[in-house]
Amino acid sequence: EPEVTQTPSHQVTQMGQEVILRCVPISNHLYFYWYRQILGQKVEFLVSFYNNEISEKSEIFDDQFSVERPDGSNFTLKIRSTKLEDSAMYFCASSDLGIGNQPQHFGDGTRLSIL
Amino acid sequence: DAKTTQPPSMDCAEGRAANLPCNHSTISGNEYVYWYRQIHSQGPQYIIHGLKNNETNEMASLIITEDRKSSTLILPHATLRDTAVYYCIVRNANDNTDKLIFGTGTRLQVFP
Repeated sequence: EPEVTQTPSHQVTQMGQEVILRCVPISNHLYFYWYRQILGQKVEFLVSFYNNEISEKSEIFDDQFSVERPDGSNFTLKIRSTKLEDSAMYFCASSDLGIGNQPQHFGDGTRLSIL
Repeated sequence: DAKTTQPPSMDCAEGRAANLPCNHSTISGNEYVYWYRQIHSQGPQYIIHGLKNNETNEMASLIITEDRKSSTLILPHATLRDTAVYYCIVRNANDNTDKLIFGTGTRLQVFP
């Protein structure tokens, strides 16, 4: 069964450094999302992306965050200058275009640890 | 905030059916009911979704009340691997970019 893949599985970064989290969505999916989950807390929406532009973003997704689909397969989340509070699991998801609602399928996440 | 209410935890014996309830009394006519689960900090796993009819797939069955204000996810023969946090989420049917809003879910513990 096709799946969303995320790399790396664990990223350790010094505070203030830039980090790029990578995702390969399911082939032929057209909608892309990033979520995060701070340890012990709820899964939170960050951003949705369709047709090469952001569809919606949350309050968490401030100027330090950006997303990009640099080629036909990758979808990246960049944090420009990381803070301690950015430590979390980051999940990428994708969904298909189709009639009615299409479920979002998630990757297994990148654990981001900011030191 | 999540538009659903779920019990914080439930237990189920292995091999028995697990019935996980969800209240969504403010659901609107164009919102689907989605169920996901999360096993020990892995990514959320899609289980099933429905609008107003009952649905069944290889993982589970979804029973939605006639007034659509509540639903039940049924795992017909729970196994130890079904131990997870289960999330009931309502989502706009007309917008595929619509985000999922996760609540705290139900922590299902399947015991031998």
